[in-house]
Amino acid sequence: DTEVTQTPKHLVMGMTNKKSLKCEQHMGHRAMYWYKQKAKKPPELMFVYSYEKLSINESVPSRFSPECPNSSLLNLHLHALQPEDSALYLCASSQVRQGGKLFFGSGTQLSVL
Amino acid sequence: SQKIEQNSEALNIQEGKTATLTCNYTNYSPAYLQWYRQDPGRGPVFLLLIRENEKEKRKERLKVTFDTTLKQSLFHITASQPADSATYLCALDDAQAGKSTFGDGTTLTVKP
Repeated sequence: DTEVTQTPKHLVMGMTNKKSLKCEQHMGHRAMYWYKQKAKKPPELMFVYSYEKLSINESVPSRFSPECPNSSLLNLHLHALQPEDSALYLCASSQVRQGGKLFFGSGTQLSVL
Repeated sequence: SQKIEQNSEALNIQEGKTATLTCNYTNYSPAYLQWYRQDPGRGPVFLLLIRENEKEKRKERLKVTFDTTLKQSLFHITASQPADSATYLCALDDAQAGKSTFGDGTTLTVKP
């Protein structure tokens, strides 16, 4: 299994809603990532987990809250988002944090109204 | 400041020709460089990784070169096909920071 599975594929939420994005991999990878991608822009790193511990937070606003319950799962909790947070949110994993070759999920297309 | 530049936002070529995409960087000393393909609405897909001590890497119709003196990588697709149409992203490893950073990408269109 070489897949990273993200749910949901699409999400529409209001600025007062609370929602969560989920990501799962069963490749035994010990590093997992959240990226944000706006249209016609490259993916921008948000968070990195290494061995289930948060190792990088790219100064992301607190309305985004990551969680890594175990080595296979990664969540991104969303609360009080702004319309400018609308984007494609990508989860990725790699064998270890500094080992190249990222495996990406198909992403969650998020719209904040 | 650190910068990654991919030669152009868009590249149009005729089927059968070789597509050459460029990735230039400044103020990085990457241990390796990667190329990814991204289709609209999908996550990037890994294509090739080349290390700082490697000059060239090949995989089927793909070839990557890496010149750490020029601070440049070239990505070639030979005998291009319309199915190769996609956005291609280079990514540099920032070993100090422990993360990879992506260039803006080049959107390749191969016309039949």
